[in-house]
Amino acid sequence: EAQVTQNPRYLITVTGKKLTVTCSQNMNHEYMSWYRQDPGLGLRQIYYSMNVEVTDKGDVPEGYKVSRKEKRNFPLILESPSPNQTSLYFCASSLFGTITDTQYFGPGTRLTVL
Amino acid sequence: KQEVTQIPAALSVPEGENLVLNCSFTDSAIYNLQWFRQDPGKGLTSLLLIQSSQREQTSGRLNASLDKSSGRSTLYIAASQPGDSATYLCAVRPSGQNFVFGPGTRLSVLP
Repeated sequence: EAQVTQNPRYLITVTGKKLTVTCSQNMNHEYMSWYRQDPGLGLRQIYYSMNVEVTDKGDVPEGYKVSRKEKRNFPLILESPSPNQTSLYFCASSLFGTITDTQYFGPGTRLTVL
Repeated sequence: KQEVTQIPAALSVPEGENLVLNCSFTDSAIYNLQWFRQDPGKGLTSLLLIQSSQREQTSGRLNASLDKSSGRSTLYIAASQPGDSATYLCAVRPSGQNFVFGPGTRLSVLP
């Protein structure tokens, strides 16, 4: 089944404790992206990647890092999480990231930073 | 800066009713507009993608229209069913790779 998977689905952590949220897709998509969703603000893009070793900032990149060493994986790294990073996070992918592509989303990771 | 709004924020209708969800965006220079459905715990599912050169797209009971010049899109759902209950999001693609999402409309279809 074609899908985008994220792990963990739920995470409660404390301020300053480094964490990684993994994202993997099995559709051989070149484009991958991370979003956060907050009440009243909609989804906002954090980082995106057009292909392996190519990443770029979205609207709200501060406090996050990403890497794209393999086509299928796009982990999101919070090196020193803070409470304002408590949010629902989504990973997404599309074939090439062109304007005609549909995005496919993972199920989301709910992160709470205490 | 592109901003996307959706009206209403929430909507409750009886089963079988036809309904319209609205999406507005401030900058008409977009490549495309996409409607998504969000179910709790299941992420987002793409419903319809309308390119900037198109006026509408249809899929089953769903019809989405786009009026770029006025910065508006509507999602029409015919003969609503309880299984249509979800949050509906619209997103525009102004340039590059950066999508801009609206806050969503939470729809409840009552049996």
